[in-house]
Amino acid sequence: GQQLNQSPQSMFIQEGEDVSMNCTSSSIFNTWLWYKQDPGEGPVLLIALYKAGELTSNGRLTAQFGITRKDSFLNISASIPSDVGIYFCAGQFYNFNKFYFGSGTKLNVKP
Amino acid sequence: DTGVSQDPRHKITKRGQNVTFRCDPISEHNRLYWYRQTLGQGPEFLTYFQNEAQLEKSRLLSDRFSAERPKGSFSTLEIQRTEQGDSAMYLCASSLTSGRQNEQFFGPGTRLTVL
Repeated sequence: GQQLNQSPQSMFIQEGEDVSMNCTSSSIFNTWLWYKQDPGEGPVLLIALYKAGELTSNGRLTAQFGITRKDSFLNISASIPSDVGIYFCAGQFYNFNKFYFGSGTKLNVKP
Repeated sequence: DTGVSQDPRHKITKRGQNVTFRCDPISEHNRLYWYRQTLGQGPEFLTYFQNEAQLEKSRLLSDRFSAERPKGSFSTLEIQRTEQGDSAMYLCASSLTSGRQNEQFFGPGTRLTVL
């Protein structure tokens, strides 16, 4: 199957710091999604990206669809303790079909 | 609550037993997806439906697995003769099929433990 390489695997940061994580693929995707998952829960959709170069924000979160269409980035500004969780990227080849997920970036925020 | 719901949230079973999970999608969503997630990994696609038609099945979905969506609303995923390797979180997601509404919204998942 398709492999999405997500990095870093985990991060330990201080409250108030900014965070960056990224996702790369060997294949071109038409859509990128970013999710956050808390323990024992399903992933929650954060941001959807549909066009190469697109930059989209959701509060303190900003994500970008890479120009090559093989990567995507997520930034979190001024992190707070409730940002703790696992962040997943997901890429899709064709509209309305399945997504391929990265293995996640685990974020820890120290108060 | 108008989100995706799944039942049960947790299931513990003995190896060899059959289990069935239910997913109720967001009401106006006509696409429904099943994914499986093991510890430390992202969700992996199993199968999806548009209305009642099952359009794609992953190679992960062995012949012990069957999914249905008989009336195009809720869906069930059945695992027969469970094995310890089936232990995982089973996630359901739904989406629209119009415009840019590609986003898949997930339910809380069913955590299966096979002893």
